[in-house]
Amino acid sequence: LAKTTQPISMDSYEGQEVNITCSHNNIATNDYITWYQQFPSQGPRFIIQGYKTKVTNEVASLFIPADRKSSTLSLPRVSLSDTAVYYCLVEGSGYSTLTFGKGTMLLVSP
Amino acid sequence: DTEVTQTPKHLVMGMTNKKSLKCEQHMGHRAMYWYKQKAKKPPELMFVYSYEKLSINESVPSRFSPECPNSSLLNLHLHALQPEDSALYLCASSQGRLAGGDEQFFGPGTRLTVL
Repeated sequence: LAKTTQPISMDSYEGQEVNITCSHNNIATNDYITWYQQFPSQGPRFIIQGYKTKVTNEVASLFIPADRKSSTLSLPRVSLSDTAVYYCLVEGSGYSTLTFGKGTMLLVSP
Repeated sequence: DTEVTQTPKHLVMGMTNKKSLKCEQHMGHRAMYWYKQKAKKPPELMFVYSYEKLSINESVPSRFSPECPNSSLLNLHLHALQPEDSALYLCASSQGRLAGGDEQFFGPGTRLTVL
């Protein structure tokens, strides 16, 4: 079971780029890395997923180094509405590896 | 339709009551999940149904009883709960790709309070 470690909290200002790193030292060969965003009293929302190198979509980028022991979620030009908890999840085959990490509380200020 | 719906939004029940939570999706997903989330904690996986069969039961007490009547519906039957079971109960669904990398779509949750 790949355990994940993230910073508990991060602060930023509107318009800045935010990078949140997740450590997953014992990631398995078949595991994917997925990031979710959660607002208070709502269900998590999928942001991005990757296996290796770099993945980019309309809201974020995900950087995964060659050893895959960590990953970095990059949020370009954050706004106040990006204030939320961000979870890194390492997902393998089957469903027994679905353990959310403790999450990173991102606070974006004006 | 890319939505997972959950009813009710809020539920207050006594320790002797029997109630049910309902979850529905119409995305053709073949995997459905129940999570429990306490305040300021990450979601904890409770159950997974894959192709309408219970695949994962994360040592959940028997006072929680899941049911998957068909591929679009997921229920969680509650009986004789304890106050510490008060939490946000989240339902999610995914395509059911067993090889991994299966994006989950979450519902808004049911806020449960046990008195």
